Amino acid sequence: LAKTTQPISMDSYEGQEVNITCSHNNIATNDYITWYQQFPSQGPRFIIQGYKTKVTNEVASLFIPADRKSSTLSLPRVSLSDTAVYYCLVGGLMFSGGYNKLIFGAGTRLAVHP
Amino acid sequence: NAGVTQTPKFQVLKTGQSMTLQCAQDMNHNSMYWYRQDPGMGLRLIYYSASEGTTDKGEVPNGYNVSRLNKREFSLRLESAAPSQTSVYFCATTVGSGELFFGEGSRLTVL
Repeated sequence: LAKTTQPISMDSYEGQEVNITCSHNNIATNDYITWYQQFPSQGPRFIIQGYKTKVTNEVASLFIPADRKSSTLSLPRVSLSDTAVYYCLVGGLMFSGGYNKLIFGAGTRLAVHP
Repeated sequence: NAGVTQTPKFQVLKTGQSMTLQCAQDMNHNSMYWYRQDPGMGLRLIYYSASEGTTDKGEVPNGYNVSRLNKREFSLRLESAAPSQTSVYFCATTVGSGELFFGEGSRLTVL
């Protein structure tokens, strides 16, 4: 199982770019990297997913180096509403068509200040 | 299209009582998961079902049992509730490359 390591907390200010890095040294060949956002009293919400190189959507970018042992979530121009906990999750498809254990790390608490 | 539905949303139990948390999904996903989240902490995997007819232990399975009733439903049972099981329980499903879809959570208090 690919264990993930993230910074426990980060602080930023409105309008800044925030980069959160996740280490996953024993990632397997068939594992994807997925990032989630969680607000208090809610379930995690999907942000972005990638396998290698760079992925961008309307809310974030995900950078994955060639060795795939880490990944970086980039949030452009954060606002107060981006204050949340961010998790990276590593897991993949099994031959049976299901998915292996999807275990969350401790997550990163991002605080955005005015 | 409700997505992932959990019942009940809130429950208070006394120590030693039993109960079942229900999860149903209408997305035709193969894999389903049960997580618990204690206050201020991350999510911990209790059990998961990679596909209909299979279940496997996660990180913290002790004190719980699960049933994958069919492709849509995955239930979590506490046979003898303990105060340490006070938590928010989330059910999730996935298909494709592993993107998880979560229910709204079930908040359980064991006195």
